[in-house]
Amino acid sequence: DTEVTQTPKHLVMGMTNKKSLKCEQHMGHRAMYWYKQKAKKPPELMFVYSYEKLSINESVPSRFSPECPNSSLLNLHLHALQPEDSALYLCASSQVSGAIPEAFFGQGTRLTVV
Amino acid sequence: ELKVEQNPLFLSMQEGKNYTIYCNYSTTSDRLYWYRQDPGKSLESLFVLLSNGAVKQEGRLMASLDTKARLSTLHITAAVHDLSATYFCAAGTNFGNEKLTFGTGTRLTIIP
Repeated sequence: DTEVTQTPKHLVMGMTNKKSLKCEQHMGHRAMYWYKQKAKKPPELMFVYSYEKLSINESVPSRFSPECPNSSLLNLHLHALQPEDSALYLCASSQVSGAIPEAFFGQGTRLTVV
Repeated sequence: ELKVEQNPLFLSMQEGKNYTIYCNYSTTSDRLYWYRQDPGKSLESLFVLLSNGAVKQEGRLMASLDTKARLSTLHITAAVHDLSATYFCAAGTNFGNEKLTFGTGTRLTIIP
């Protein structure tokens, strides 16, 4: 099983809403990531969790709040977003140790902030 | 700060032709990845290149890595329409947490 599953696939939210994106993997990977991809741009790293602890925060605004409740799950809590936050949000996972630290990506959540 | 540059940004080519996409990165990275992305879709892993001189091939695509020149190439042989997509290279750093820095992407269109 090399799947990373993200829900929901699409999300439309108002600027005053609170919503969460979910990501799940069962590959035994202990590193999990959130990336943001704007239209026609490359993905940009937001957060990295390693062994369920936040190890990298790429200076992301606090209206994005990540959470890793266990080794298989990664959430991204959204609050008071702006229209410019509309993007494709990609979750990925990888081994922490091992010969090939290849990242596997989920299908993404397309977020529209209105 | 690691920077990754790809060229060309756009590539329109006829079926049956060969072409190469180039990926340069600015600082030391011994891990280079190539991904394919179809419109509105996620990233599909194509190749993982882990050492200098690494060459990998899958169908009409071949990727190589020269860590001394900090250059990777993705060569397309006898292009077919199904290869139309955006291709990203990404350099990996911070081993243990595979932090990927992506190139700008090459939007490839194969014309029948």
